[in-house]
Amino acid sequence: GNSVTQMEGPVTLSEEAFLTINCTYTATGYPSLFWYVQYPGEGLQLLLKATKADDKGSNKGFEATYRKETTSFHLEKGSVQVSDSAVYFCAHDNYGQNFVFGPGTRLSVLP
Amino acid sequence: SAVISQKPSRDICQRGTSLTIQCQVDSQVTMMFWYRQQPGQSLTLIATANQGSEATYESGFVIDKFPISRPNLTFSTLTVSNLSPEDSSIYLCSVVQTGRDYGYTFGSGTRLTVV
Repeated sequence: GNSVTQMEGPVTLSEEAFLTINCTYTATGYPSLFWYVQYPGEGLQLLLKATKADDKGSNKGFEATYRKETTSFHLEKGSVQVSDSAVYFCAHDNYGQNFVFGPGTRLSVLP
Repeated sequence: SAVISQKPSRDICQRGTSLTIQCQVDSQVTMMFWYRQQPGQSLTLIATANQGSEATYESGFVIDKFPISRPNLTFSTLTVSNLSPEDSSIYLCSVVQTGRDYGYTFGSGTRLTVV
């Protein structure tokens, strides 16, 4: 069935460190892929997305590339800030119906 | 993109009571989705609410416990009935945004604590 797997957290980094959060998916066909972010005490916000193979989504210094051959959509940022501390969810769509979410990865960035 | 107003943002409720959560969207949408996020967990879909028909519930969720109303294309409510401490979670409504802004848009969530 459809699923999303993310690296286990929590991830703790120092400010300005490089971030990678791995995400792989299982889905029928070629879904659109998403990263959502949930800041403390808030709902989920769309961070970036990619709708077809080899597309790169980017926003706020974060990037992720849709890799069909490895069914992956890893999230990266070259230099994290304390304000990036949040929970990050990888997701894919499901024929325009409900989305399938990964378990989330908590990121803590220390000053 | 669509804006969803969800309320209440948080509540503390007694066991055995019920809480009704409201979501108002600033545009017409066909489907609205209700999710539960238990502490430290990911999102679990409760049900899909379509205007003019019964909500479709996921495995493990039943209408008697989570009745949903969808009176029009911009509004929905989720009631969590006969509350127990295990219902303490964040509840989120969402809609699918079409077109250029394709993706899920979420309400800000309702943090429920049952005591």
